Formats: sequence, C-alpha cells, structure tokens
Amino acid sequence: ILNVEQSPQSLHVQEGDSTNFTCSFPSSNFYALHWYRWETAKSPEALFVMTLNGDEKKKGRISATLNTKEGYSYLYIKGSQPEDSATYLCAFHPGTASKLTFGTGTRLQVTL
Amino acid sequence: EAQVTQNPRYLITVTGKKLTVTCSQNMNHEYMSWYRQDPGLGLRQIYYSMNVEVTDKGDVPEGYKVSRKEKRNFPLILESPSPNQTSLYFCASGTSSYEQYFGPGTRLTVT
Repeated sequence: ILNVEQSPQSLHVQEGDSTNFTCSFPSSNFYALHWYRWETAKSPEALFVMTLNGDEKKKGRISATLNTKEGYSYLYIKGSQPEDSATYLCAFHPGTASKLTFGTGTRLQVTL
Repeated sequence: EAQVTQNPRYLITVTGKKLTVTCSQNMNHEYMSWYRQDPGLGLRQIYYSMNVEVTDKGDVPEGYKVSRKEKRNFPLILESPSPNQTSLYFCASGTSSYEQYFGPGTRLTVT
C-alpha cells in the first residue's frame, strides 16, 4: 500500500485567515494527484485533478500546486470562510493503474 | 438528477450472515469503485471496475467480492461479514478514475 501523508491532521483558523495544507506522495511512478473536499455528513466532492509537474489549479478562493519531482502538493485557501470547514483529502494515482490511494485528510474548521 | 445511490444506508448485522450493499449510478459511467472509511485510516479502496465484467482489487479487498454485470450497478458482497468490517462504505463512479462522484455512504455494523 502506497504512503500518502497529509499535514496537518487538523487546523482551526478564524474567518478571513488564509491557510494551506500539504499532501506528500511517492515521487516515483506518478500519474495524477487528486484533491477532494469532504463536508461532515456528506460525500467527498472532487476539487482538482493534477497531472503535470508545476501544475497550478484554482477554483474560487481555493488553489493547489503540484511538485511531482519531490512528491508533494499544496492546497491553499485564501480568506477562509465558515463554509470552507471540511476535511480535505488528497489521493495519489500511481502509474496507469486505476487504483487510488487516499491520505487521511486535513480537517479544517473555520470560526467567526 | 445525476446521482450515485447506495442501499441500504444503515445496516446492523451479525457475524457470518451474508450481505450485499448495492450501488447504482445513472450517469453512464464506466468506472466504479468501492471504498471503506475508518477513523484515522482515511478512505481505502476495496475494489474498482473499469467497465462491465472488468474488476480489480484495490488496497483492502480481503473479505469482499464485487461484480459488474451491468454498467450502472456495482454491488459489494460480504460473504461472511466479521466485526472488523464494521465501517462506513462509499461507492463512487466516474467516466474514469479521474473525477469520481461519491454515493451517500452505507454505515455497516457487524456484531
């Protein structure tokens, strides 16, 4: 089983703060890296799929970067809002297989 | 409405009693997958299917079976459930593994 690690495990910020989390994955045999957003009592929802070294993706106030050579991706949230409170998961897609290995997630709580 | 449905949503059963959790999608997706979610362990892939009659093991397939006889359905079968299979199960589908749509989850308790 591949090792996909996310840090920090949890984060508590105030409304308006900007924040970022890390996903580390094996740098060899890379195919794609996914980010998902998972709200409590709901199902995970896809945020980004990143495939190329140096990729940057953006959706509103959320953006992500990818470094496949060193095996990490950052997720940034600018000006956090309470509705951003969720667990953010990354998932590593090795080679050309369709297996997907998830990290354990970063739980973000944004308070007023 | 495009969706992935799972049934049942909640199930309490006893050790050894065979059960099936159904998963159905109405988006004509080729790719379907099952995951289990356990505290501290995150989502772990059990089985996936690239298309009808094509299935393969994920990271934690032991104790589970799947079948893909129709494109829309991908049932998860526990032939002889054990307490260590108590978990929250998610089915997902997508045009590929790239962007998956998750079902609402099935909370299974095996006593």
